[in-house]
Amino acid sequence: KNEVEQSPQNLTAQEGEFITINCSYSVGISALHWLQQHPGGGIVSLFMLSSGKKKHGRLIATINIQEKHSSLHITASHPRDSAVYICAVRYSGGGADGLTFGKGTHLIIQP
Amino acid sequence: GAGVSQTPSNKVTEKGKYVELRCDPISGHTALYWYRQSLGQGPEFLIYFQGTGAADDSGLPNDRFFAVRPEGSVSTLKIQRTERGDSAVYLCASSLGVAGAQYFGPGTRLTVL
Repeated sequence: KNEVEQSPQNLTAQEGEFITINCSYSVGISALHWLQQHPGGGIVSLFMLSSGKKKHGRLIATINIQEKHSSLHITASHPRDSAVYICAVRYSGGGADGLTFGKGTHLIIQP
Repeated sequence: GAGVSQTPSNKVTEKGKYVELRCDPISGHTALYWYRQSLGQGPEFLIYFQGTGAADDSGLPNDRFFAVRPEGSVSTLKIQRTERGDSAVYLCASSLGVAGAQYFGPGTRLTVL
């Protein structure tokens, strides 16, 4: 079964800390997405990447295709960053055309 | 509209009833996806449309679930003979093409009593 594993499942940190959330997957992909979901809110797409690194504001996403691993980093974290961060992949070479999602990382940033 | 919209935002129904959930994608987006998210879980893929046709319905759990997109824009997810286990948030997303970034709607929270 093609799975997407995220770690940690839960993370509590203090405001200002550097945050890293990890995602690993089992087979080849054509794209990896990082998504953000606030409690009771909708899902917002943060990044879509297939190689290298992308940066948007305080958020950085990296992917290592050979190691089948991606990380989402948050610099100078703030309480408003508190949310569930979800990694999702689109597998290449057949299979479902939709995204396969990880279970999410619950991030709480305390002031 | 600027984003993906879904109606209704909440739907409460009784076991055995029929429900329809609607998704309005971003204008011009040819790809449309339906996902289902149960409490505490990540979303699960249900079905993907490219234009009017269902390009991949491998995620539909059984034949009680059906979706249409007759004009290549608005899509309706239909659930027959609802069961309590169907309770979840049903998410719709659209993208310019299959390889594009997916933009998610706010979801429809379905509760089957």
